[in-house]
Formats: sequence, structure tokens, C-alpha cells
Amino acid sequence: EVQMVESGGGLVQPGGSLRLSCAASGFTFSSYLMHWVRQDPEKGLVWVSRINNDGSIKTYADSVKGRFTISRDNAKNTLYLQMNSLRADDTAVYYCGRDFNYKIDVWGKGTTVTVSS
Amino acid sequence: QSALTQPRSVSGSPGQSVTISCTGTSSDVGDYDYVSWYQQHPGKAPKVIIYDVTKRPSGVPDRFSGSKSGSTASLTISGLQAEDEADYYCCSYAGIYTFVFGTGTKLTVL
Repeated sequence: EVQMVESGGGLVQPGGSLRLSCAASGFTFSSYLMHWVRQDPEKGLVWVSRINNDGSIKTYADSVKGRFTISRDNAKNTLYLQMNSLRADDTAVYYCGRDFNYKIDVWGKGTTVTVSS
Repeated sequence: QSALTQPRSVSGSPGQSVTISCTGTSSDVGDYDYVSWYQQHPGKAPKVIIYDVTKRPSGVPDRFSGSKSGSTASLTISGLQAEDEADYYCCSYAGIYTFVFGTGTKLTVL
């Protein structure tokens, strides 16, 4: 079964850091580009970042550029999102997603990040 | 990277058709045929129902269809069913390996 499971979310103070992980299974992880997408009740779905299959090309939304870093370990079938200098407006459910020809065809169930003092 | 504009809500009765618009710019929707639509039920992850503007993944009913004119994409759901009640989001490739989602539309089946 193709699936992805996010972990690493939690409560963090403003200015703090978190690293999210997304464990993939049931498909050849190294063959696919991957995304992080977040969702909060106010803004709906917001694209955060994308990485190509070998990790050499990474892109980010302007709102997270310079603070978040996407990476992957193809040997461990795992996608990561390092989040630094967290702000209250980073509070959201974070989903990882598999890219197949410019669409996200498989989504994880999400992990919740809350930034609050 | 401004969000694509969608109506906040639409509604229709069972059996009717509804159309949800998704307005972008010449840098995203207007420039690429990589518009996808996602259906999200409460508490669930999104699910792709339309990609490449008009294509449906296998298993998605043909009641769902997509189109595009200029910088506006549209999702039409015909023969509305109760299970279609959900949130719908469009998404477009925006160049240089970036993407942008729409603001989201809540569909109510009356």
C-alpha cells in the first residue's frame, strides 16, 4: 500500500525550531518529487516547499524562504522539513505529498504544528 | 505568490450542477496547463480529482470536470450527490518549480 506518515509536530515557542519527517512506503521513493503543504483554518491549503527526486533542486514559498529547509534521505525513504525561527502564523497541519506530473497524487495524514508561548 | 481566488462557498441541490471558479494570473493559471483540483472532506487529507486542467484520475467519477479560459480555471460537478459536500481547492504550477493553491471553496449540498 502506498502511504506516507508525517511525524515531528508539536507545540513550540515563537522563535523555536522543529523538524518534521515524512516516512514513505509502498513505492520507489527516490523516483518522485515531493512536497510539503500546510493548512490552517484561516488560509486553507498553502504550498510550502518542493524537492526533486535526488534532492538537488529545492523551492520554497516566499513566506518560509530562509527559515525552512526541505531535504530527503532516499536510503531511508524519508522526507524532512527543518523549520527555524517559527512564528505564530506557521501554526498549521503540515502534509507531505508525492508529486506525479505536477499534481500531488498521494498525501499523508498530516502532523500538527502549534507555535505559541 | 498570491493565493488563487475561489468563491468562499457554493451550494446546490442533489442532481444539480455547480461550478467553482479559480482565478489566477498570467504567471500561474494563465501560463501553464498544470491546474489541479483537490477535494477535502472534514478531518481528511486532500484528494486529487482533476489534474492538467481537464484530466481525471482513475476512480474519480465523470461527474467531475475541469476547464480553463485565460487565467481562470473552473471545476464543474454535475449530478450533485450528498457525498460531494466537501471543501475544494485548485492548485496551479507557478513556474520555477513553485506552486500556488486557491483560497478554497466550501460546497454545500442542500
